[in-house]
Amino acid sequence: NAGVTQTPKFQVLKTGQSMTLQCAQDMNHNSMYWYRQDPGMGLRLIYYSASEGTTDKGEVPNGYNVSRLNKREFSLRLESAAPSQTSVYFCASSDGWLRGYTFGSGTRLTVV
Amino acid sequence: SQQGEEDPQALSIQEGENATMNCSYKTSINNLQWYRQNSGRGLVHLILIRSNEREKHSGRLRVTLDTSKKSSSLLITASRAADTASYFCATEPSGGYQKVTFGTGTKLQVIP
Repeated sequence: NAGVTQTPKFQVLKTGQSMTLQCAQDMNHNSMYWYRQDPGMGLRLIYYSASEGTTDKGEVPNGYNVSRLNKREFSLRLESAAPSQTSVYFCASSDGWLRGYTFGSGTRLTVV
Repeated sequence: SQQGEEDPQALSIQEGENATMNCSYKTSINNLQWYRQNSGRGLVHLILIRSNEREKHSGRLRVTLDTSKKSSSLLITASRAADTASYFCATEPSGGYQKVTFGTGTKLQVIP
């Protein structure tokens, strides 16, 4: 089925460990996004990529890096995980704001 | 900071009743969208309303937008148990494509 695929679905890290969250879309969308969702905070934009080869910071970029590997893939890296990064991470893509975003099913990350 | 704030935070109704959720935002916008999130899943786009529109319908959904009051409402008519979910508004600020922000959501429970 067409859509946004995120891996892994669940992950537990120790403080200081690193990891990369993967995201791929097969809808030929130009724009891709990473959000985090915390209780009572809604979704907050971490980084986005308007098109292949470009990335920009969102509202909460500290502690994260991203790579737009190609048009399909947009990865999020935590270099040194901290407990404050415990959250649910969502990747999304779009091909024009007027069409809305398509979201992946999320990665639930716990940092202990 | 969150652009949109939904009200109420939680809503519980009987199946067959109508559910109304409100969203207020702070700055001028180009467009506003509503999303649904079932527990543990990604967000699903429901409906979009442009800043020059006042009302829009899609099936059992009715969205209104009042730019003078910086507010929007989502009405779900003849609710069903399957409508149980969290509902989020998302806004694109004027001149701010790629800077879409989400509210904190309304948690709707429809009791069979």
